[in-house]
Amino acid sequence: AQSVSQHNHHVILSEAASLELGCNYSYGGTVNLFWYVQYPGQHLQLLLKYFSGDPLVKGIKGFEAEFIKSKFSFNLRKPSVQWSDTAEYFCAVKQYNQGGKLIFGQGTELSVKP
Amino acid sequence: DTAVSQTPKYLVTQMGNDKSIKCEQNLGHDTMYWYKQDSKKFLKIMFSYNNKELIINETVPNRFSPKSPDKAHLNLHINSLELGDSAVYFCASSRDRGTSPLHFGNGTRLTVT
Repeated sequence: AQSVSQHNHHVILSEAASLELGCNYSYGGTVNLFWYVQYPGQHLQLLLKYFSGDPLVKGIKGFEAEFIKSKFSFNLRKPSVQWSDTAEYFCAVKQYNQGGKLIFGQGTELSVKP
Repeated sequence: DTAVSQTPKYLVTQMGNDKSIKCEQNLGHDTMYWYKQDSKKFLKIMFSYNNKELIINETVPNRFSPKSPDKAHLNLHINSLELGDSAVYFCASSRDRGTSPLHFGNGTRLTVT
């Protein structure tokens, strides 16, 4: 069965530090990849997505992610985090012909200290 | 204008009761979903409908019954509620069941006492 694994359960950073959150998936076929963010008490919002083409995708709020097919990875990065980035981050994978099902990783809680 | 709206936002009820959560999307999307987020924040798909047709049913107890009267609505009815049903339930929609991303509602926090 397809799975999505996020390496870090809880990351604590100071403001202006750089961020990288790891994500690996297990499916070998064609996939679409997403990162979602969930601010405290809120719903999930799409940060960025990868369908095809340039493996480096840019999203909202200065986030970017790189798809490395050989490593089955889709890591999220931000050069300089802000206190307002404190949230839960979810990596997710959609595989073709699965009815649109989005499979989520376990989530990574990011705490940014001012 | 809320794209995917769920009601109620909070639901507190006792074991054994039956309750419903409603979801509506005004995005014109064909596909709708229900996800359950547990206390550890893990998100798991429960159901998906495409144009009112059930296409995904993930090993969910049959106490949970989704209903889609039209493609803009996907309601979730839960019979005989159990303590383990306590969670946040998210409705979502996508343009189709292909590559399009999901848009999520604000969630319904269900607490079963």
